[in-house]
Amino acid sequence: EEQLMQSGAEVKKPGESLRISCQASGYTFKSFWIYWVRQRPGKGLEWLGRVDPSTSYSTYGPSFQGHFSMSTDMSISTAYLQWSSLEASDTAIYYCARPGTSDGCLDLWGQGTQVIVSS
Amino acid sequence: QSVLTQPPSVSAAPGQEVTISCSGSDSNIGTNYVSWYQQFPGTAPKLLIYDNNQRPSGIPDRFSGSKSGPSATLGITGLQTGDEADYYCATWDSILSSVVFGGGSRLTVL
Repeated sequence: EEQLMQSGAEVKKPGESLRISCQASGYTFKSFWIYWVRQRPGKGLEWLGRVDPSTSYSTYGPSFQGHFSMSTDMSISTAYLQWSSLEASDTAIYYCARPGTSDGCLDLWGQGTQVIVSS
Repeated sequence: QSVLTQPPSVSAAPGQEVTISCSGSDSNIGTNYVSWYQQFPGTAPKLLIYDNNQRPSGIPDRFSGSKSGPSATLGITGLQTGDEADYYCATWDSILSSVVFGGGSRLTVL
């Protein structure tokens, strides 16, 4: 069964660093980008960017470049989203997803990782 | 402000039909395939329609999608209370080089 399994919820303070993970199984990890999507409390979906598992080459959505980074570890079929200095506005649920038949189609989703940033 | 525009809410009675619109531009919907997602509270979004009008395996044919120019529509027939959820459209934007989503539409089955 194809699956994306994400790491557990996190509670952090502003200024702290964080790395969340997304482990793929049931398909060839290197064959598909991994997308990251943010959903702030009570709000809609926002595409943060994507990472190529085989190279860790990343592209970012508008307004998101520089605030976080994406990477992968091919040896364990895992993608990461990381922050060096969290802000309260980073409080959200973060989903990883896999594109399907087109760039704008996300056909496989992780269960989400809740991140709470609060002093 | 989302790149794609959806109505914030739609409603209809059980057994009836509802449509959800998604309006974009030539650089996104006008040029690329549209997908639709269903999201229940506390759960991850689920792909409902891809490539404008294709249903993944397991999605009932009560759900349909269409596209015309820079706009797309999701249709749901034979509404059930279990269809109450948030629905999002999405596509690729060729100018922004990113996936863009609609703001989401909350469906209420009265």
